[in-house]
Amino acid sequence: EDQVTQSPEALRLQEGESSSLNCSYTVSGLRGLFWYRQDPGKGPEFLFTLYSAGEEKEKERLKATLTKKESFLHITAPKPEDSATYLCAVGTGNNRLAFGKGNQVVVIP
Amino acid sequence: NAGVTQTPKFRVLKTGQSMTLLCAQDMNHEYMYWYRQDPGMGLRLIHYSVGEGTTAKGEVPDGYNVSRLKKQNFLLGLESAAPSQTSVYFCASRRRGTDNEQFFGPGTRLTVL
Repeated sequence: EDQVTQSPEALRLQEGESSSLNCSYTVSGLRGLFWYRQDPGKGPEFLFTLYSAGEEKEKERLKATLTKKESFLHITAPKPEDSATYLCAVGTGNNRLAFGKGNQVVVIP
Repeated sequence: NAGVTQTPKFRVLKTGQSMTLLCAQDMNHEYMYWYRQDPGMGLRLIHYSVGEGTTAKGEVPDGYNVSRLKKQNFLLGLESAAPSQTSVYFCASRRRGTDNEQFFGPGTRLTVL
């Protein structure tokens, strides 16, 4: 069974305090690892797709990395507007995504 | 481009009532999905479609039906609503191709009393 586990569930950061979110996964045949951002009351917004171990992608203060068993989302010098829930998902072999429960991040000014 | 839109945004039902949620996308995507999101549970797939006229069950299909009569629309039906179906429902779509990302709608908040 495909499984995605995200940690920590919740994280409070001071503005400028860098940190990392973890997404560990078990899937038979990875078809991409996806990161989404979700703001309260809104739908998930796509951030990154990673396909193979060693791959990295960046967008502003966010950097996603991938190994064979897990992915990290690094938040560098976060600002209050980075407060959101970050969702990790793995693509499975039947055109579907399996989602983790999310990392809720609050950045305090 | 409006992207993925969902109708209605909010709805309150009584137990046993029926309703249909509408999802529409204007990106000419082949695949469409219905999820529900509950606190502490993450996004769970209800049903999905890989093309017009086709549907398939996801992780939590019981109590729901779907139809994809037109490529741009994907309907989610509740025949006899139950309080356990109180949730936020999201629709998503994506292009055909193994690794393409899904684009999500804004969600429908459904309360069943």
